[in-house]
Amino acid sequence: QLIESGGGLVQPGGSLRLSCEVSGFAFSRFWMSWVRQAPGKGLEWVARIKSAGSEKDYVDSVKGRFVISRDNAKNILYLQMNSVRVDDTAVYYCVRHLDTPPGGYFDYWGRGTLVTVSS
Amino acid sequence: SYEVTQPPSVSVSPGQTATITCSGDALQRQYAYWYQQRPGQAPVLVILQDRVRPSGIPERFSGSNSGTTATLTISAVQADDEADYYCQAADRTTTFVVFGGGTKLTVL
Repeated sequence: QLIESGGGLVQPGGSLRLSCEVSGFAFSRFWMSWVRQAPGKGLEWVARIKSAGSEKDYVDSVKGRFVISRDNAKNILYLQMNSVRVDDTAVYYCVRHLDTPPGGYFDYWGRGTLVTVSS
Repeated sequence: SYEVTQPPSVSVSPGQTATITCSGDALQRQYAYWYQQRPGQAPVLVILQDRVRPSGIPERFSGSNSGTTATLTISAVQADDEADYYCQAADRTTTFVVFGGGTKLTVL
């Protein structure tokens, strides 16, 4: 089970931290990712993090603004969103990422948390 | 723009076969994956590694990959299959995951 939280309304240029509490599998053994979906739009992979947290990758549009991290002792995945823009508005899904790198796929998805960036 | 391209919509009558394609260079020597997303719900993986069905996915769902075109086939379509379907592969340069734009399947 993956349960996201932390979404809400934030002004452009502001910050927000998303959390994802994981249960039901050995969290510390798996890569994890965030995938987002803008309203009425398709899916977009945002960031991934290795099981031990030593490797992280980002889509170009969030590089330098977002930081993915994890606490394996608490089974929690995070996404720190800084300098947010209107086009960051989306539902953010926490996902388990298998067969990566490279590529890979997502077998477990949370229900998502909505982030709205607006003044 | 998308590394992989899907038709925006596909319509089919109940009991018929729906075919959804996904095209792009990202599929060369890369696996294709497919997700079903019903309205208001999170996506669900229905095909992995071109043609493998995860546990719990009906046999009516099948997949193939010819090298530049991956295909999701849904046989004996039911009203419950009405959803958005997304293909997914890996960018050949960055090796990061890329999604197609999605195909809305309408069951007439």
